[in-house]
Amino acid sequence: DGGITQSPKYLFRKEGQNVTLSCEQNLNHDAMYWYRQDPGQGLRLIYYSQIVNDFQKGDIAEGYSVSREKKESFPLTVTSAQKNPTAFYLCASSPGPWTDTQYFGPGTRLTVL
Amino acid sequence: AQKVTQAQTEISVVEKEDVTLDCVYETRDTTYYLFWYKQPPSGELVFLIRRNSFDEQNEISGRYSWNFQKSTSSFNFTITASQVVDSAVYFCALVISSGSARQLTFGSGTQLTVLP
Repeated sequence: DGGITQSPKYLFRKEGQNVTLSCEQNLNHDAMYWYRQDPGQGLRLIYYSQIVNDFQKGDIAEGYSVSREKKESFPLTVTSAQKNPTAFYLCASSPGPWTDTQYFGPGTRLTVL
Repeated sequence: AQKVTQAQTEISVVEKEDVTLDCVYETRDTTYYLFWYKQPPSGELVFLIRRNSFDEQNEISGRYSWNFQKSTSSFNFTITASQVVDSAVYFCALVISSGSARQLTFGSGTQLTVLP
């Protein structure tokens, strides 16, 4: 089945540790995105990539890093510089950037202890 | 800058009632796209509809219908004969068609609870 997978579903880490969230899609989409969702709030854009080997910062990129070495994969690293990393992280992809419909993965809930 | 407002934070209805979720948007661009997504308790956002600014025709899909009115900058979503499975958070979103600052802007969501 075509879709977007994110792993793990739940992630616990100690304060000060870097952690990498996986996002894979087999939809042959060019664009991929990472969003953060805090309780009772909408989604905020962390990073996006319109094409392989290229990515751009979103509104809340500080403390995060990404790579786009393959079309199918867009991993997100939450670094120790992110002051409040506990949140729900959603990955999305779309055929082209922005005006095409974005399809979302199941999300990863990160808790920093 | 773009903005999406979903003024209803939480709505509770009894099963089989009709319910309308409001969405008001702000943009200076004439070409833009509007979206609705559903987020069930599992967390994944499920795409419901995409509409461009030049298509004001209302749309119906089963129990779901959407009312797009450019004159009031609104894109409201109605669920007819609601069911318990409709319980979720619903997000409205907007993106303009061009420009370096464009991105998908989400409202803060409306939590819909359908009681049996």
